[in-house]
Amino acid sequence: EAQVTQNPRYLITVTGKKLTVTCSQNMNHEYMSWYRQDPGLGLRQIYYSMNVEVTDKGDVPEGYKVSRKEKRNFPLILESPSPNQTSLYFCASSFQNTGELFFGEGSRLTVL
Amino acid sequence: GQNIDQPTEMTATEGAIVQINCTYQTSGFNGLFWYQQHAGEAPTFLSYNVLDGLEEKGRFSSFLSRSKGYSYLLLKELQMKDSASYLCAVQLGSSASKIIFGSGTRLSIRP
Repeated sequence: EAQVTQNPRYLITVTGKKLTVTCSQNMNHEYMSWYRQDPGLGLRQIYYSMNVEVTDKGDVPEGYKVSRKEKRNFPLILESPSPNQTSLYFCASSFQNTGELFFGEGSRLTVL
Repeated sequence: GQNIDQPTEMTATEGAIVQINCTYQTSGFNGLFWYQQHAGEAPTFLSYNVLDGLEEKGRFSSFLSRSKGYSYLLLKELQMKDSASYLCAVQLGSSASKIIFGSGTRLSIRP
């Protein structure tokens, strides 16, 4: 089954404790992206990757890091989480020239 | 800057028709998406418009006017399961890299 898988789905952590949210897709998509979704603000792009070893900042990259060592994986790293990073995070992927995004099920992160 | 506007909330009756509008002012435009998102779930693709006009897909249709920076999503024969948020998104360039989303319209269907 074609899918985008994120883990963990739910996480409560404390300020400053490094965490990684994993994202994996099995559709051989070149493009992968991370979004955060907050009430009233919609989906905002954090980082994206056009292919292996190619990443770029989206609209709200501060406090986040990403890597793309393999085509299928695109982890999101919060080196020192802060309460303003409490949000619902979505990973998405697509073929590079289509733009139709396939989303993971979301990861709800709470930073205390 | 980039701006996508859509109503925050709408209510409609089961079996009726509803139109969700989206207006955009963006620095580039390659196409416009509509996604559906049920509460607590991931967005799923509904439609993609590149050219002006109406695209029909079953009970759902999407319209685009590039000159007016305007789109709408038309839902017919509403069902309770259509209660969801509907996200308008603009693709700024030819690749997937730059897709920006509106805040979404939460649609409630009453019996």
